[in-house]
Amino acid sequence: GQQVMQIPQYQHVQEGEDFTTYCNSSTTLSNIQWYKQRPGGHPVFLIQLVKSGEVKKQKRLTFQFGEAKKNSSLHITATQTTDVGTYFCAGDFGNEKLTFGTGTRLTIIP
Amino acid sequence: GAVVSQHPSRVICKSGTSVKIECRSLDFQATTMFWYRQFPKQSLMLMATSNEGSKATYEQGVEKDKFLINHASLTLSTLTVTSAHPEDSSFYICSASVAYNEQFFGPGTRLTVL
Repeated sequence: GQQVMQIPQYQHVQEGEDFTTYCNSSTTLSNIQWYKQRPGGHPVFLIQLVKSGEVKKQKRLTFQFGEAKKNSSLHITATQTTDVGTYFCAGDFGNEKLTFGTGTRLTIIP
Repeated sequence: GAVVSQHPSRVICKSGTSVKIECRSLDFQATTMFWYRQFPKQSLMLMATSNEGSKATYEQGVEKDKFLINHASLTLSTLTVTSAHPEDSSFYICSASVAYNEQFFGPGTRLTVL
């Protein structure tokens, strides 16, 4: 079946360090979206990537979509305590439904 | 931005009872609503896709007779968990989208079945 895997499952970083989470799909994606879920909260949309090789930036966050449209990454530069949460990628395989990745839980050590 | 509400936010019920959860898009008309289930520290699992005025499409393994979905209007979808059992205890989250673009999630409903 169509699966979306994410690594790492957990990441603990010192405040100010960088953080990266990687997302891999079993098959080519139509597009990929990224969401952030704070502890006790609900997922909040961050961005959507559609084009092969696309790179988008939002302040300290950089999102990439692989050339083959099967993998993606989210990189946060100089993490802050407000970055705490679980980051999910969610792939659309062209059936207009999202398959969520397993998520990466980020914790920040002050 | 687009706001989606869910009601109730938390419900505790006895085994065997039915529970209805409402999902509303407050400031936009959603062509599609989705229902997810999330167990603690796990990812979101899509249960069903709901379009206004038509029957919901359920994911494999989700019992449509147990999880009844009604999408009465472009701003309201309901999920009814019928004859709930302790294994149905979970966090149920709805989302709404326009033309299958980004999804706006509700705050979720935490269901506990005793």
